[in-house]
Amino acid sequence: DVKVTQSSRYLVKRTGEKVFLECVQDMDHENMFWYRQDPGLGLRLIYFSYDVKMKEKGDIPEGYSVSREKKERFSLILESASTNQTSMYLCASSVTGGPTYEQYFGPGTRLTVT
Amino acid sequence: ELKVEQNPLFLSMQEGKNYTIYCNYSTTSDRLYWYRQDPGKSLESLFVLLSNGAVKQEGRLMASLDTKARLSTLHITAAVHDLSATYFCAVVLSNTGNQFYFGTGTSLTVIP
Repeated sequence: DVKVTQSSRYLVKRTGEKVFLECVQDMDHENMFWYRQDPGLGLRLIYFSYDVKMKEKGDIPEGYSVSREKKERFSLILESASTNQTSMYLCASSVTGGPTYEQYFGPGTRLTVT
Repeated sequence: ELKVEQNPLFLSMQEGKNYTIYCNYSTTSDRLYWYRQDPGKSLESLFVLLSNGAVKQEGRLMASLDTKARLSTLHITAAVHDLSATYFCAVVLSNTGNQFYFGTGTSLTVIP
């Protein structure tokens, strides 16, 4: 089974802190994604990566950066956390191509910024 | 910009009843996914629909795709409490490969 893990289930940080969210997948997937989930807004893509050291902006990249130094690991960085970044963050991974490729999701990190 | 709209956003239904969740999207897509999310949990894949007229069924859930109407439906038959969850549809644009666009989700509560 594909396994996507995230470093924390719950995180509380103060405004202005630098925050790292880590995601690891064990299926050698090329693609990795970071989403945030807010009530009534569904999932919105922050950044994605289709290869090591490659990254692409999603729909809402402002205030975030990412790092992918190894194929299995994709980190989301909040350079200076703000209260409007309080949200559920979901990481996902997928292969490239194939007839029924899908995204596999991690358990999520609920981040609260106070 | 691709828009994916689901309705209803909230659905409360009695056990044993039937209902349909709708997913509309604004531009051509070559595949559509349905996911389920239980409270406090992550998303779990339910169905992948790859072509016009595709129909998939699992238990009391049946999903269909009409690419000409840019519409997918998730039909619930004789609902049971265990189906209470949030359901998301997602589409992939033909020219973006792996980027998924998610709907807003439908929160389903099945009442005994």
